[in-house]
Amino acid sequence: GENVEQHPSTLSVQEGDSAVIKCTYSDSASNYFPWYKQELGKGPQLIIDIRSNVGEKKDQRIAVTLNKTAKHFSLHITETQPEDSAVYFCAASKGGGSNYKLTFGKGTLLTVNP
Amino acid sequence: KAGVTQTPRYLIKTRGQQVTLSCSPISGHRSVSWYQQTPGQGLQFLFEYFSETQRNKGNFPGRFSGRQFSNSRSEMNVSTLELGDSALYLCASSLAEGGRNIQYFGAGTRLSVL
Repeated sequence: GENVEQHPSTLSVQEGDSAVIKCTYSDSASNYFPWYKQELGKGPQLIIDIRSNVGEKKDQRIAVTLNKTAKHFSLHITETQPEDSAVYFCAASKGGGSNYKLTFGKGTLLTVNP
Repeated sequence: KAGVTQTPRYLIKTRGQQVTLSCSPISGHRSVSWYQQTPGQGLQFLFEYFSETQRNKGNFPGRFSGRQFSNSRSEMNVSTLELGDSALYLCASSLAEGGRNIQYFGAGTRLSVL
């Protein structure tokens, strides 16, 4: 089955700096890659996603890049703010038809220091 | 639109007991997935229901079961509880949009097994 590796497990940055989180996946049939943010006491919230037919997607301070050949994808957060502090999860799925199963990475605890 | 609602938010049970967790998906969503979240294993897929039928299943023992009702609400049941079943159980309802199976998570039910 699919296996998703996520690095780093913890990341501490100063406010205003950029943060990058990287994931690799094993199943070349995976074609949908969402990123979730989980704050304390809450469920994961989708922040951005990308399909395999796209190499990069941006939404304000957040961007995701995908390299299908190398089977890795990354989350980039620019101009970080204290409210960006949370656990971030990457995930992969085959995404089409009836397959809704998400395989998650182990998560990255991001701390943004004021 | 109301989000995904999970009840109860917290549960304390003892070994050997059974437990039922409930999930009400976003109105109009027909797919409901369940995940187990623990510090050691991260987020792991349990199963997914669509139109009252289990469509996908993860690698959990038969003590974990679920069902979905005609109004898309779902329940999951864990029988003969073990200490290792202590976890946050998350429900996600899904909507397919343009080839993306977007999953929206509830806040979860925190189960403690003593």
